Amino acid sequence: AQSVTQPDIHITVSEGASLELRCNYSYGATPYLFWYVQSPGQGLQLLLKYFSGDTLVQGIKGFEAEFKRSQSSFNLRKPSVHWSDAAEYFCAVGAYSSASKLNFGSGTRLSIRP
Amino acid sequence: NAGVMQNPRHLVRRRGQEARLRCSPMKGHSHVYWYRQLPEEGLKFMVYLQKENIIDESGMPKERFSAEFPKEGPSILRIQQVVRGDSAAYFCASSPGILRDTEREQYFGPGTRLTVT
Repeated sequence: AQSVTQPDIHITVSEGASLELRCNYSYGATPYLFWYVQSPGQGLQLLLKYFSGDTLVQGIKGFEAEFKRSQSSFNLRKPSVHWSDAAEYFCAVGAYSSASKLNFGSGTRLSIRP
Repeated sequence: NAGVMQNPRHLVRRRGQEARLRCSPMKGHSHVYWYRQLPEEGLKFMVYLQKENIIDESGMPKERFSAEFPKEGPSILRIQQVVRGDSAAYFCASSPGILRDTEREQYFGPGTRLTVT
């Protein structure tokens, strides 16, 4: 069965500090991997995606993520966070063999300390 | 190019009433997905539709919920005889297709927040 785990429910970092949000997945096939961001009361915005090829992917707003097959992980990173990055972040996985749905993690809420 | 549009943005229904949620996909997109987000949780897949066809409804509750995507007009998620447990944010996403990797990216609408009183 497919599953996505975001082990950190809530993370607080200081503005300007680096950030890493963890995502682990369990999949029987080649996965598609996504990170989305959701501001309060808003929809989801795609930050970045991995389909194949280079395992380090760059996204919008200075975010990047690295696909590590051996660890079944797709962690999101940013070298220096800004107060506007405070939001809920969701990792999602889709199956190569079935594009019909994404499985989402439960999310990590990011707070920024001034 | 307008994004995915959903309306209404907020919907209040009394227990037992019907809720109709609408989703207009991005221009050129023929694949629509519905997800539900309960408070403090991630999104859960409900149903995947193409024009006039339900492709995957494995996430839909067996009763009271239905979805359609007619040849003309928006996709509709319909909830009959709503109960308090239906209170949630319902998100629609669309994609242009599934044949190529670049087509599999799903673009999300702003959501409809349903409150059942």
